[in-house]
Amino acid sequence: AQSVAQPEDQVNVAEGNPLTVKCTYSVSGNPYLFWYVQYPNRGLQFLLKYITGDNLVKGSYGFEAEFNKSQTSFHLKKPSALVSDSALYFCAVRSYSGSARQLTFGSGTQLTVLP
Amino acid sequence: DGGITQSPKYLFRKEGQNVTLSCEQNLNHDAMYWYRQDPGQGLRLIYYSQIVNDFQKGDIAEGYSVSREKKESFPLTVTSAQKNPTAFYLCASTRNTEAFFGQGTRLTVV
Repeated sequence: AQSVAQPEDQVNVAEGNPLTVKCTYSVSGNPYLFWYVQYPNRGLQFLLKYITGDNLVKGSYGFEAEFNKSQTSFHLKKPSALVSDSALYFCAVRSYSGSARQLTFGSGTQLTVLP
Repeated sequence: DGGITQSPKYLFRKEGQNVTLSCEQNLNHDAMYWYRQDPGQGLRLIYYSQIVNDFQKGDIAEGYSVSREKKESFPLTVTSAQKNPTAFYLCASTRNTEAFFGQGTRLTVV
């Protein structure tokens, strides 16, 4: 079975500082990895994905993520945080092995950027 | 504009009632999903459907039912057998590597 772990329920960072939201995964075969952001009472918005190729993936709103196969990690990063980045962030993994065509989500990390 | 539409945005259910949440997409996506979101628990998969007239149970299917009569539509019924239905419900659709979400329905039992 595939799984995703987001070890931090809450991440606080000062505006202008770099931020990292951690994600590790477990899946059979090649992983397809995603980051989504959710604002209160809204659906999930796609930020970025890793399918294949360059391990550093750039996405929306200045976010990027680094795929590390040996550490089975896909941490989300941004060089300079904004107060408007404050939201709930989800990492997800999807595998195409067999019929397991489904997204598995982590438990989410609440990011708070302090002014 | 293409997208996924969930309705209603807010829904109130009396105990013992069945209610149906709507999810419609015009993205021509093959696969559709229903997730339940509870605080601190992330998203848990209820049901998913990869093609019309076929669907599979997810991790927490008990007390829920779905249908997939049309490619565009994947309604979720929360039955009276679901003992704790108060939650935020999210519908998603995927094609290849892209996944898109609706804006969610907040269901509250009164």
